[in-house]
Amino acid sequence: ETGVTQTPRHLVMGMTNKKSLKCEQHLGHNAMYWYKQSAKKPLELMFVYNFKEQTENNSVPSRFSPECPNSSHLFLHLHTLQPEDSALYLCASSQEREGQETQYFGPGTRLLVL
Amino acid sequence: GQNIDQPTEMTATEGAIVQINCTYQTSGFNGLFWYQQHAGEAPTFLSYNVLDGLEEKGRFSSFLSRSKGYSYLLLKELQMKDSASYLCAVVDSNYQLIWGAGTKLIIKP
Repeated sequence: ETGVTQTPRHLVMGMTNKKSLKCEQHLGHNAMYWYKQSAKKPLELMFVYNFKEQTENNSVPSRFSPECPNSSHLFLHLHTLQPEDSALYLCASSQEREGQETQYFGPGTRLLVL
Repeated sequence: GQNIDQPTEMTATEGAIVQINCTYQTSGFNGLFWYQQHAGEAPTFLSYNVLDGLEEKGRFSSFLSRSKGYSYLLLKELQMKDSASYLCAVVDSNYQLIWGAGTKLIIKP
């Protein structure tokens, strides 16, 4: 495997379910990101991890809970989501947590909350 | 506030040239990215400009004018596979990436 991978690619869940999104990067990068992408809206940065430490949480509701066990893996734990949370969730990585570093994205998880 | 403006959608013909504009108002500037995103796929890096001028990379070129807060992506000899969304993103003074909503480019035969 190369690049950034995400599983699952598609997820349908009810508002009472608990699920987790997984991201893995094979690029040797030190920074990883979760983004939310909704139709016709800019990418919304949710969380940033640099060397496994969470450095940013952009006012994300507590029903989203990130976990970064090591520099290569990133999880997003979901519980009691709302229909408005339906979106494409993208994971990205970069060599360092500097804005001018190129970010490499995974293919995303398309989430539908019923 | 910080703002990135780009057209929502553009249509062009196969073999032609298209220019996708991006204007920005941000707190500081440390570079501008263009990414391409095919439907249902990951955004992929196209270009990074930090100095004024034109950077050419094959059929794609990116231009930056910092004094005007303006950039464009120029696509030449359009191919059907160029149908995608093109995302503009600016690095602000805090080295945060500020994203535009993207421009959906439709290529017609």
